[in-house]
Amino acid sequence: KAGVTQTPRYLIKTRGQQVTLSCSPISGHRSVSWYQQTPGQGLQFLFEYFSETQRNKGNFPGRFSGRQFSNSRSEMNVSTLELGDSALYLCASTLYTGELFFGEGSRLTVL
Amino acid sequence: AQTVTQSQPEMSVQEAETVTLSCTYDTSESNYYLFWYKQPPSRQMILVIRQEAYKQQNATENRFSVNFQKAAKSFSLKISDSQLGDTAMYFCAFILLRETSGSRLTFGEGTQLTVNP
Repeated sequence: KAGVTQTPRYLIKTRGQQVTLSCSPISGHRSVSWYQQTPGQGLQFLFEYFSETQRNKGNFPGRFSGRQFSNSRSEMNVSTLELGDSALYLCASTLYTGELFFGEGSRLTVL
Repeated sequence: AQTVTQSQPEMSVQEAETVTLSCTYDTSESNYYLFWYKQPPSRQMILVIRQEAYKQQNATENRFSVNFQKAAKSFSLKISDSQLGDTAMYFCAFILLRETSGSRLTFGEGTQLTVNP
């Protein structure tokens, strides 16, 4: 069974640009959640999608957005990138609340 | 709001020895799960062990076991017979079991564990 797949694994952007990250969950999982990991702030919840609807949202500015498609794949978008957006972005998929499976992450560097 | 605290930023242990990582949490809810996740240098978050709050029995997974003290809101991880491959950052995490909470994990700050040969 394939795991959670995140693309791209690494990317470099400059301030002011936008970026889109993709997450393909484990087959059959309908919930996808996103986390930002930085050395200073640790792991912070961004948002969760379930059956194409945003079910939960963390405390991030509106520049961070996401969506989920009918096949449960999810994308997150960050517009007007800032240096502080440099982070590892982790995606997790779940079949039920008690078990989340993480992808390998997308490492974003903003110059 | 729920909070998770790991007071040990770094720990080290000799190979084959036992080490315990500490975690405390705060919540007014009674229905939740607690987890320990491991993040090796490859950066992928791997589930080590899970504890359901309604279960009094402590969870065990091979060399990994927890000491879950619900009243004290404490959830420590014991690693027995430590192996070099256990070297990683360990995160304690909490999730509410409530319809509106979905699958939202709250993480602690992490403990970097180094296993020395």
